[in-house]
Amino acid sequence: NAGVTQTPKFRILKIGQSMTLQCTQDMNHNYMYWYRQDPGMGLKLIYYSVGAGITDKGEVPNGYNVSRSTTEDFPLRLELAAPSQTSVYFCASSSLGRGGAEQYFGPGTRLTVT
Amino acid sequence: GESVGLHLPTLSVQEGDNSIINCAYSNSASDYFIWYKQESGKGPQFIIDIRSNMDKRQGQRVTVLLNKTVKHLSLQIAATQPGDSAVYFCAENYGGSQGNLIFGKGTKLSVKP
Repeated sequence: NAGVTQTPKFRILKIGQSMTLQCTQDMNHNYMYWYRQDPGMGLKLIYYSVGAGITDKGEVPNGYNVSRSTTEDFPLRLELAAPSQTSVYFCASSSLGRGGAEQYFGPGTRLTVT
Repeated sequence: GESVGLHLPTLSVQEGDNSIINCAYSNSASDYFIWYKQESGKGPQFIIDIRSNMDKRQGQRVTVLLNKTVKHLSLQIAATQPGDSAVYFCAENYGGSQGNLIFGKGTKLSVKP
């Protein structure tokens, strides 16, 4: 199993541009998550999904959108990039919800908005 | 000893010593806790977890202690090795509609050879 994979690894965006961060997992997990991690800080939940077709907001959803058309994929969309979205983005998946199981993380996407 | 960096608390230990990393959690209703290790440039990696009906759980070279009275979690690493150098996060299940995890800020562990 590859686990959780994310692309791209790095990206530089200009203010106002848009992009999609890709996330795929091959563990057949129903639960998937997007986090952002600012320098020297912990992880903050952006959006999560409990299964294909179902998504919900986390702690910091503004400026982002997600979709979940398949169990495997959970892309994160930035529509109008702002400098405040400069961060490292991690996708994760787990087999159980209610925080009842460990989350497996991808390697992250480092995004800079200038 | 322990020092507070610009954002991240830092713990420096000598190779071979035991390390203790502490975490205060926020929600007395949280019933599941995880410790993650994050090496530079990588995603967090699961170390050990514990449920609220336990106060201690042991893994390979690691032990997690849970004190629900004071909402405190600790991670003990025995015989710390240079490969243990990383940032360690605790996370709690805050029991929201999907019980998503809340992550602490993290502690940076530096192991001196």
